[in-house]
Amino acid sequence: AQTVTQSQPEMSVQEAETVTLSCTYDTSESDYYLFWYKQPPSRQMILVIRQEAYKQQNATENRFSVNFQKAAKSFSLKISDSQLGDAAMYFCAYRSVITYKYIFGTGTRLKVLA
Amino acid sequence: DGGITQSPKYLFRKEGQNVTLSCEQNLNHDAMYWYRQDPGQGLRLIYYSQIVNDFQKGDIAEGYSVSREKKESFPLTVTSAQKNPTAFYLCASSIPGQQYSNQPQHFGDGTRLSIL
Repeated sequence: AQTVTQSQPEMSVQEAETVTLSCTYDTSESDYYLFWYKQPPSRQMILVIRQEAYKQQNATENRFSVNFQKAAKSFSLKISDSQLGDAAMYFCAYRSVITYKYIFGTGTRLKVLA
Repeated sequence: DGGITQSPKYLFRKEGQNVTLSCEQNLNHDAMYWYRQDPGQGLRLIYYSQIVNDFQKGDIAEGYSVSREKKESFPLTVTSAQKNPTAFYLCASSIPGQQYSNQPQHFGDGTRLSIL
């Protein structure tokens, strides 16, 4: 069975600085998809970025980028120029191409300091 | 705009009572999911359905039941057998199929269930 691990329960970053959130996963599948979701205090789940395992190029969405290391089964999220609105819980998620299940990590709470 | 509607936003359950959480989507998605969210535990899958009239147990299905009679609707019943139901419940939908695996799940705004 697949597992997703987020080892940082909480992180802090100064406004305008860069922060990296860690995510590792375990799977025996060769093809899969990875996602980062943001959950602000409103509890809405918002997609931040996605990565296809067969693509070696790291995904980028504006200030958000990932460092995808397939061999190491690592999928970290880098937030550049952090803003107060980035403060939220961040969840890493894995989707198998065989089942329709998404597996979520336990989340990292990001605090942005003014 | 298409989306997922969960109701009610807040729900209270008495001891021994069954309660039903509503989830409706107009995204024309075949797959729907129910998650439970507790502090420090992330999202845990309760049930999921890939198609009408079919559903599968997730990781924590005990004490819960679902039905999928319509594509748009996937209600979750929290039965009296669920001894610790206090949590935040999220409903989600997605397009199934391998060709759509890069598609993210869409989520509702959630229902917070508490015990009276």
